[in-house]
Amino acid sequence: EVQLVESGGGVVQPGQSLKLSCVAAGFTFGDSPIHWVRQAPGKGLEWVGRIKGEGYSYATVYAASVRGRFTMSRDDSQNTAYLQMNSLKSEDTAVYYCSRGAWYGPIKWLAPWGQGTQVTVSS
Amino acid sequence: DIQMTQSPSSLSASVGDRVTIACRASQTISNYLNWYHQKSGKAPKVLIFGSSNLPSGVPSRFSGSGSGTDFSLTISSLQPEDFGIYYCQQSYSTPITFGQGTRLEMK
Repeated sequence: EVQLVESGGGVVQPGQSLKLSCVAAGFTFGDSPIHWVRQAPGKGLEWVGRIKGEGYSYATVYAASVRGRFTMSRDDSQNTAYLQMNSLKSEDTAVYYCSRGAWYGPIKWLAPWGQGTQVTVSS
Repeated sequence: DIQMTQSPSSLSASVGDRVTIACRASQTISNYLNWYHQKSGKAPKVLIFGSSNLPSGVPSRFSGSGSGTDFSLTISSLQPEDFGIYYCQQSYSTPITFGQGTRLEMK
């Protein structure tokens, strides 16, 4: 079964850091881009960023709202992706999902998604 | 950034109804448009990719159409498990962007 499982969420104070993990199973992890998407309480989906595999030199791209504060990485030997979040702000409070970037030719979509992990930034 | 706008923002419907949700992109995105369904407290799941393609396992009552800037998702006969929030998403360019969501509620 193709699946992703996030962990590492929690409650932190503004300015602190947190590192999320996303463990994958059931597909060739190293070939797949991994995306992070977040959802603030009662709000819609916001894309955070994407990291490609070794074949693309682990290229990353970030949303403007997190660029310079968040860093994506991956360990293909462990089928795991990471999201390091620094200088956290209250507006970063959200459920964070990781998702595999699926593709068929030039068409790309996100599937599957993990169950999500809650990050709360509060003093 | 490409802005995605869905309409309506919410709608009420009954089991068996035919429902259509629209999505408009702020610039042309060819057919790089995907639809997701999210139930309360759960992760989104893809319904349609590439504007009109159904992934394996998605019921045939779902269909998608459109190209360029205007797209639509249609549910031909609403089932109880179809209620929730629907999002469109463009994969034409980064940053990837989502519509604001359409909440589908039971009438």
